Amino acid sequence: NAGVTQTPKFQVLKTGQSMTLQCAQDMNHNSMYWYRQDPGMGLRLIYYSASEGTTDKGEVPNGYNVSRLNKREFSLRLESAAPSQTSVYFCASRSSGAAEKTQYFGPGTRLLVL
Amino acid sequence: AQRVTQPEKLLSVFKGAPVELKCNYSYSGSPELFWYVQYSRQRLQLLLRHISRESIKGFTADLNKGETSFHLKKPFAQEEDSAMYYCALSGSARQLTFGSGTQLTVLP
Repeated sequence: NAGVTQTPKFQVLKTGQSMTLQCAQDMNHNSMYWYRQDPGMGLRLIYYSASEGTTDKGEVPNGYNVSRLNKREFSLRLESAAPSQTSVYFCASRSSGAAEKTQYFGPGTRLLVL
Repeated sequence: AQRVTQPEKLLSVFKGAPVELKCNYSYSGSPELFWYVQYSRQRLQLLLRHISRESIKGFTADLNKGETSFHLKKPFAQEEDSAMYYCALSGSARQLTFGSGTQLTVLP
């Protein structure tokens, strides 16, 4: 099992450009998450999807959109990138069992917006 | 609302010395607490969770509900323990709230 995978690993954008970060998991997990990681701020939740077909805003959703394409895939889109979105983005997934709350993380995407 | 506080951004100890990374939380219900570790430029990995009451890589953490703390401890630090450590809380929703992290450096 590959676990949680993310593409691309690294991306440079100019202000105003758009891009989509891809995430996939092969663990048959229901819930998927997108976080951003910034120095001194830990990980902050952008959006999450409790199950296929549903998405909800997290702590910092402004400037982002998400799509839960199917059970495996959860993408994050920046429609008009801003320098404030320079960050490392992590995707995570979690088992469907109510008692299982461990999240499993992807390797991250480093995004630089100039 | 749920909140996790890690008061130390940076922590340095010498190899073989004991280490304690502090974590305090705020949550009105019964939380589930986790410690995640991130080695340099790698993904976050689960280190341990309080319900398992296990010891991973020599680390332990005890949930103290009276002090609302979940400090991470290891009696003898190793250089390979150098990493970023995040404390996280899972409440009633299917979300994790992370602390801001503590960068641990174990000096030779």
